[in-house]
Amino acid sequence: LAKTTQPISMDSYEGQEVNITCSHNNIATNDYITWYQQFPSQGPRFIIQGYKTKVTNEVASLFIPADRKSSTLSLPRVSLSDTAVYYCLVGNSGYALNFGKGTSLLVTP
Amino acid sequence: EAGVVQSPRYKIIEKKQPVAFWCNPISGHNTLYWYLQNLGQGPELLIRYENEEAVDDSQLPKDRFSAERLKGVDSTLKIQPAELGDSAVYLCASSLDSGGIDNEQFFGPGTRLTVL
Repeated sequence: LAKTTQPISMDSYEGQEVNITCSHNNIATNDYITWYQQFPSQGPRFIIQGYKTKVTNEVASLFIPADRKSSTLSLPRVSLSDTAVYYCLVGNSGYALNFGKGTSLLVTP
Repeated sequence: EAGVVQSPRYKIIEKKQPVAFWCNPISGHNTLYWYLQNLGQGPELLIRYENEEAVDDSQLPKDRFSAERLKGVDSTLKIQPAELGDSAVYLCASSLDSGGIDNEQFFGPGTRLTVL
């Protein structure tokens, strides 16, 4: 499994755009990039997944450069309820997910 | 549609006692996972089932942990005997049996175990 590196924590104010970057230098050709979100006392929840370029859904956008050695999760206009831990995972199967420590995002008024 | 169901939500036991956790995955999901999550860490896979077969149990401490999924639906994870270091949240997840991009895992709320 590809090793990922992401910031331990980030702070933001309500209404701002938040970008969380994940490094995955040894990503394999057939690996996908997946982001999960976890609120306290809950299990992780799938946010978005991509392979290359840009993916957007109703929750977030995922930007992946051509070399795929990093990716950026973009959360538009965050609210207090976006306070959570965000995990970047890289792999070609959903079976053995390596969650790491994730990025703890704190959104304040 | 009901999500992944786990019980109990909380369990407090004394060390050396046995404990069991139960999980019912989303209907139709053939793959079931058990994860362990320590405070401040991400989930770590313990075991993965495809139907009733355990296809990846390399991270399961087999001296004290066991799991079963007899009919390929619900599953039980057991610890016997429990140790202080087993205090953690035990998460169950399920997914459709697909090797492609449609392999989103759906997690239950977890069982928080405290060993005294």
